[in-house]
Amino acid sequence: QVQLVQSGAEVKKPGASVKVSCKASGYSPIGYAIHWVRQAPGQGLEWMGWINGGSGTGEFSQKFQGRVTITEDTSASTAYMELSSLRSEDTALYYCARNNGYNTFDVWGQGTMVTVAS
Amino acid sequence: QSALTQPPSASGSPGQSVTISCTGTSRDVGGYNYVSWYQQHPGKAPKLMIYEVSKRPSGVPDRFSGSKSGNTASLTVSGLQAEDEADYYCSSFAGRDNVFGTGTKVTVL
Repeated sequence: QVQLVQSGAEVKKPGASVKVSCKASGYSPIGYAIHWVRQAPGQGLEWMGWINGGSGTGEFSQKFQGRVTITEDTSASTAYMELSSLRSEDTALYYCARNNGYNTFDVWGQGTMVTVAS
Repeated sequence: QSALTQPPSASGSPGQSVTISCTGTSRDVGGYNYVSWYQQHPGKAPKLMIYEVSKRPSGVPDRFSGSKSGNTASLTVSGLQAEDEADYYCSSFAGRDNVFGTGTKVTVL
């Protein structure tokens, strides 16, 4: 079936970087954008950015200017989100989601918990 | 891009209806017919319930409906059931970005 499977939980120190992967299966990722959304503990959803499958183009929230990099390996049907200069406020559950149209996130990964602590 | 505004909570008895509002601006909700709604149960990933303002994905009960007027979108859950108790988030396309709402906790009394 169509699914997105994300990499496992991470614990990082402040100032470090983290790279989360999101592997698509059950469909061809070409032409579908993958969006990244995070959710801090007990908080709401926050949109981070997206990458268009196959073209590598995309956008990201200005909030993460200079800190977030979203890439893809089409041969592995996998998208990646790297967040650098981590701080405690980046502790959150990070989700990838498939966009099927405009702002239509119809398939979600299981989430990857990233904890930033010294 | 600021988060869309939702009421923190809403509630209703089984069988009743509850409506959740989602207020944005002309740069997001008011500017595009690309509003979607997500249901999230504790410890679970969000689930798409409504897309393009009022369309329901296959498998979503027709008790869930969406609408929009100006800069405000709404999600109505009719015939409330116990399993509808969850957090609900709206989301809107905003040209260059996407933006989520602040979230509403729906309680079934």
